[in-house]
Amino acid sequence: QKEVEQDPGPLSVPEGAIVSLNCTYSNSAFQYFMWYRQYSRKGPELLMYTYSSGNKEDGRFTAQVDKSSKYISLFIRDSQPSDSATYLCAMSAVQGAQKLVFGQGTRLTINP
Amino acid sequence: GAGVSQSPSNKVTEKGKDVELRCDPISGHTALYWYRQSLGQGLEFLIYFQGNSAPDKSGLPSDRFSAERTGGSVSTLTIQRTQQEDSAVYLCASSLGAGRLDQPQHFGDGTRLSIL
Repeated sequence: QKEVEQDPGPLSVPEGAIVSLNCTYSNSAFQYFMWYRQYSRKGPELLMYTYSSGNKEDGRFTAQVDKSSKYISLFIRDSQPSDSATYLCAMSAVQGAQKLVFGQGTRLTINP
Repeated sequence: GAGVSQSPSNKVTEKGKDVELRCDPISGHTALYWYRQSLGQGLEFLIYFQGNSAPDKSGLPSDRFSAERTGGSVSTLTIQRTQQEDSAVYLCASSLGAGRLDQPQHFGDGTRLSIL
């Protein structure tokens, strides 16, 4: 079993929909959680990072961590076609995240 | 300023050949990372360099893989006697430091390696 599990999708939704992307993990030592966005044939770019449990909001994006359930989510409100990409969750037990453990990524398509 | 630069962007080679992949990190970034991304898989950590410290090689999958970082800047990942299972996208990232989440890893666009 992988340390981090992420539904690979693909996920296709209409423009304007609320999107929910999720990861589960098995290592209770993970404390730092990140979401990366990766456009086709590009490197990943950091969207958001959070520490421990709780919510963090940045514009149309909200990251949520539930350590008791070992479950993290990324919500995208008012989704746009430009949000179409692969979204990767990543996590680490130590700050600095020298060795991030990534989920396999969810491919998301927003249809105009 | 320039981002992380990787070359070549694509590489096709025959099984058994050696390949070298290059990474130019962002100027001033002391930490450098190599990852491998196979089809349908997440990023797999390979190796990490931080300043003048000994690299963390714990992610290298076999002794056919090696990496060096010269002068604290450019890094080269070498794969010897390539196998078909080595086919993947090899991503390099750098960060200003390795101690804070607000100093995230910045990724290059990768080298797409295909072993025939």
